[in-house]
Amino acid sequence: DAMVIQNPRYQVTQFGKPVTLSCSQTLNHNVMYWYQQKSSQAPKLLFHYYDKDFNNEADTPDNFQSRRPNTSFCFLDIRSPGLGDAAMYLCATSRDPISSYEQYFGPGTRLTVT
Amino acid sequence: AQSVTQLGSHVSVSEGALVLLRCNYSSSVPPYLFWYVQYPNQGLQLLLKYTTGATLVKGINGFEAEFKKSETSFHLTKPSAHMSDAAEYFCAVSILTGGGNKLTFGTGTQLKVEL
Repeated sequence: DAMVIQNPRYQVTQFGKPVTLSCSQTLNHNVMYWYQQKSSQAPKLLFHYYDKDFNNEADTPDNFQSRRPNTSFCFLDIRSPGLGDAAMYLCATSRDPISSYEQYFGPGTRLTVT
Repeated sequence: AQSVTQLGSHVSVSEGALVLLRCNYSSSVPPYLFWYVQYPNQGLQLLLKYTTGATLVKGINGFEAEFKKSETSFHLTKPSAHMSDAAEYFCAVSILTGGGNKLTFGTGTQLKVEL
């Protein structure tokens, strides 16, 4: 089945220690998104890629970076995680903004910062 | 700017009762509207969407929603709740930007189903 895959599902990191979260997709979608979802809150868009074009949200901290080496993979790098960065991180994809508007979500990676 | 308001952060119904989750939107252009469901420690799953055409939209698991432009609403309903419907539900509006389509979510409604 075509899908969005996130690894790992659970990640524990230490305060200030860089961490990378991974997302891959078999849908061949042009757009990939990263969301942060804190407990009992709505997902908050951090940034997205439309093909190779990177689109950062204005309020996304510089501590968060992303890479998309090819169509299938996208990474979220947190350079120096703080306690406030503990959250669920959701990856999503969409085909393109003309023919399809819905986004397909992966299962998420729950990040704990100790 | 687009926004979504979900009335009621927690809704509790009895099994077999009607489910009604409310969503109102604000949009400067014709909106594309979505309902997503999230089970604990899972990603979001699309329940249904409205883009154009028929205003009554049917989705998965027996859910449906009606787009009412005059009321700027997109409420989610299900005639008979099942225990497996207990989850968090998010209403969202999509906007098209130069870099892709972006979803703006409501704050979510936690649905509890009781025996």
